[in-house]
Amino acid sequence: GAVVSQHPSWVICKSGTSVKIECRSLDFQATTMFWYRQFPKQSLMLMATSNEGSKATYEQGVEKDKFLINHASLTLSTLTVTSAHPEDSSFYICSAIDTYEQYFGPGTRLTVT
Amino acid sequence: QQQVKQSPQSLIVQKGGISIINCAYENTAFDYFPWYQQFPGKGPALLIAIRPDVSEKKEGRFTISFNKSAKQFSLHIMDSQPGDSATYFCAAGPDNFNKFYFGSGTKLNVKP
Repeated sequence: GAVVSQHPSWVICKSGTSVKIECRSLDFQATTMFWYRQFPKQSLMLMATSNEGSKATYEQGVEKDKFLINHASLTLSTLTVTSAHPEDSSFYICSAIDTYEQYFGPGTRLTVT
Repeated sequence: QQQVKQSPQSLIVQKGGISIINCAYENTAFDYFPWYQQFPGKGPALLIAIRPDVSEKKEGRFTISFNKSAKQFSLHIMDSQPGDSATYFCAAGPDNFNKFYFGSGTKLNVKP
């Protein structure tokens, strides 16, 4: 199947700083990528849909000024958590659509201290 | 309203047994129903998926059964192995993957 990578796999940052997470489709082009958030022992919560060349679509309750999404190319989407707070600590997972299937990245563990 | 309901929350099966996880969905417009396997600290991996034009799909030890009229689908893992111990999520949504909904997850433990 298609491969989606994320970088970094884990990151620790201080409260008030910003952190960028990259999501790449390695062997296919993806006009649409998704960003999810997952709390421990819970399901995936869709945060936003990232479309190449256009603004992201955010789900209700997700602060678009806090979670900046940029889909700069057909293989790269980035999520920037701005002015991070401890409550932003979570497991962030991206996914990309390859023709008929959705493939997920390995996730990024963010810890805000 | 919860769009996809998954049960059971946890499941313990002996090695060699059959694991069965069930999901029910609300929206009749959904036409893509995948199952994902997730190990701790990893992203979900697509296991098997079905579209509503068939009632069953089998890939190796994994089978999806789909009942369109009842709006239910299930995952059957035959000859369950300890390596299958993971959390399984069902999902449902439109074929274009816009607005995808996940079940709450089932933690499977296969005893050796």
